Amino acid sequence: EAQVTQNPRYLITVTGKKLTVTCSQNMNHEYMSWYRQDPGLGLRQIYYSMNVEVTDKGDVPEGYKVSRKEKRNFPLILESPSPNQTSLYFCASSLESGRTQYFGPGTRLLVL
Amino acid sequence: KNEVEQSPQNLTAQEGEFITINCSYSVGISALHWLQQHPGGGIVSLFMLSSGKKKHGRLIATINIQEKHSSLHITASHPRDSAVYICAVSRGAQKLVFGQGTRLTINP
Repeated sequence: EAQVTQNPRYLITVTGKKLTVTCSQNMNHEYMSWYRQDPGLGLRQIYYSMNVEVTDKGDVPEGYKVSRKEKRNFPLILESPSPNQTSLYFCASSLESGRTQYFGPGTRLLVL
Repeated sequence: KNEVEQSPQNLTAQEGEFITINCSYSVGISALHWLQQHPGGGIVSLFMLSSGKKKHGRLIATINIQEKHSSLHITASHPRDSAVYICAVSRGAQKLVFGQGTRLTINP
């Protein structure tokens, strides 16, 4: 089944404790993105990747890191999480730039 | 002012009604996307448009590039259509900008 998977789905952590949210797609898509969704602010793009080893900042990259060492995986790294990073995070992939996006199920993160 | 504006923000209707959700944008785009987010949180892509009109089942999406406006229509609405509908525009390579979403509730 074609899909985008994210892990974990739910995470409660404390300020400063490094964490990684994994994202994997099995559709051989070139492009992958991370978004966060907050009440009143909607969805905002954090980082995106056009191919292996090619990443770029979205609108809200501060406090996040990404890497794209393999085509299928695009992990989101929070080196030192803070409470303002409490949010619902979505990973998405698409075949090429601007095409239909396929979203993962979301990761709900709470930083205490 | 947001680059992508949706209206209305909330919409409640009775089953069977014709639904229209609007999206206006203020920037140059390469494509416009309509997404559906169900109460459980999952997001599904409904349409991607760069011109004209697309139809899938009871859903129709149109775009007017000159007026920078798109509409999503639902015919013969059903309670299972209740969701948040999100308009997003593609700007350049893989950069998406989202509207705030329209919360649609269809009552039986």
